[in-house]
Amino acid sequence: NAGVMQNPRHLVRRRGQEARLRCSPMKGHSHVYWYRQLPEEGLKFMVYLQKENIIDESGMPKERFSAEFPKEGPSILRIQQVVRGDSAAYFCASSPGFNTEAFFGQGTRLTVV
Amino acid sequence: ILNVEQSPQSLHVQEGDSTNFTCSFPSSNFYALHWYRWETAKSPEALFVMTLNGDEKKKGRISATLNTKEGYSYLYIKGSQPEDSATYLCASSTGGGNKLTFGTGTQLKVEL
Repeated sequence: NAGVMQNPRHLVRRRGQEARLRCSPMKGHSHVYWYRQLPEEGLKFMVYLQKENIIDESGMPKERFSAEFPKEGPSILRIQQVVRGDSAAYFCASSPGFNTEAFFGQGTRLTVV
Repeated sequence: ILNVEQSPQSLHVQEGDSTNFTCSFPSSNFYALHWYRWETAKSPEALFVMTLNGDEKKKGRISATLNTKEGYSYLYIKGSQPEDSATYLCASSTGGGNKLTFGTGTQLKVEL
């Protein structure tokens, strides 16, 4: 059973471009969480999704950021018109249920130049 | 306490030493406390999830305790080994699930 897979591992974008980060949860997991780690800071919750539903997006910036978890395929975190302040490590975690242990991926490190 | 706070920020110990770290969290609306072990370039690895006041959990040489009334948890490592070198994160949740508030971690380095 493969772990949580995130790709790409490293992503470089120029200011104004779009960034798409993908997360394939562990097999049998229908709950996905995205976290962001800014330089010199801890992991911060962004969004919680189940298949085709956003459950809690209280940690998402109001503009330019969106997330989805379609019925088929990976969860996608999309950042439009990236700015230098978006440079961070983005981690995805998945769990089989609401109150079950979450497993993290290795993260995508986004650098905006 | 408004945020999750961990101390110390970093720790150097010798192989064989026993050590412990502290995690402080808001005690109001508490649901669960999670401990993770995070090695560089790897995924955070779940160690423990604790919910009840007075909970104690153990995995090999690592154990943890929980005090929900005063809002703290201790992580203990007995007989530290170089492979224990990692950052240890704690995180609390208030509403259940995995919407977690993380501390900034304690970076442990175990030297020979």
